[in-house]
Amino acid sequence: EPEVTQTPSHQVTQMGQEVILRCVPISNHLYFYWYRQILGQKVEFLVSFYNNEISEKSEIFDDQFSVERPDGSNFTLKIRSTKLEDSAMYFCASRAGWGTEAFFGQGTRLTVV
Amino acid sequence: QKEVEQDPGPLSVPEGAIVSLNCTYSNSAFQYFMWYRQYSRKGPELLMYTYSSGNKEDGRFTAQVDKSSKYISLFIRDSQPSDSATYLCASFSDTGRRALTFGSGTRLQVQP
Repeated sequence: EPEVTQTPSHQVTQMGQEVILRCVPISNHLYFYWYRQILGQKVEFLVSFYNNEISEKSEIFDDQFSVERPDGSNFTLKIRSTKLEDSAMYFCASRAGWGTEAFFGQGTRLTVV
Repeated sequence: QKEVEQDPGPLSVPEGAIVSLNCTYSNSAFQYFMWYRQYSRKGPELLMYTYSSGNKEDGRFTAQVDKSSKYISLFIRDSQPSDSATYLCASFSDTGRRALTFGSGTRLQVQP
């Protein structure tokens, strides 16, 4: 069964360092998303990406964040200068079409120390 | 006002019980409704996906949407200990923001 895969499963980084979280969405899906979930809190939308550009972003997605689809299979989230409050689970999701189901990866747990 | 609200629980039931999980939402533009199951430190797993009002059944799971009262429900029949997880409701509209808006989740414990 097709699935969204994310790497790494856990990343520990020092405050101020750059991190790149990687995702391989389901093949032939067209819409890609990043969400985050701080421990014990709700899943929050960060950004959506379609047709090689950002289609929506939340207030959380500030200039420290960027996304890229460098090739036909990968979708990445970069955090330029990590802060302690960036510690969270980051989930990638993809959809075949905008009105269809969204499928999530297993997440990357980011710990900023 | 939160756009999607859920009782956080925990909700504890004996094995075999019928479980009722509920969400309310405030955005009248929401048209699509989903239920996800999330195990601890794992990604949300899609259980049910419905459009507009009505019922949808899949095995032991039934999703109900009542748009007039902005109320969505998930029923689990013959609950099993493996159903113990956090259940997230989510919604999106076909106008404005189209990304999923999640509730905070209800933690369910099914006791053997």
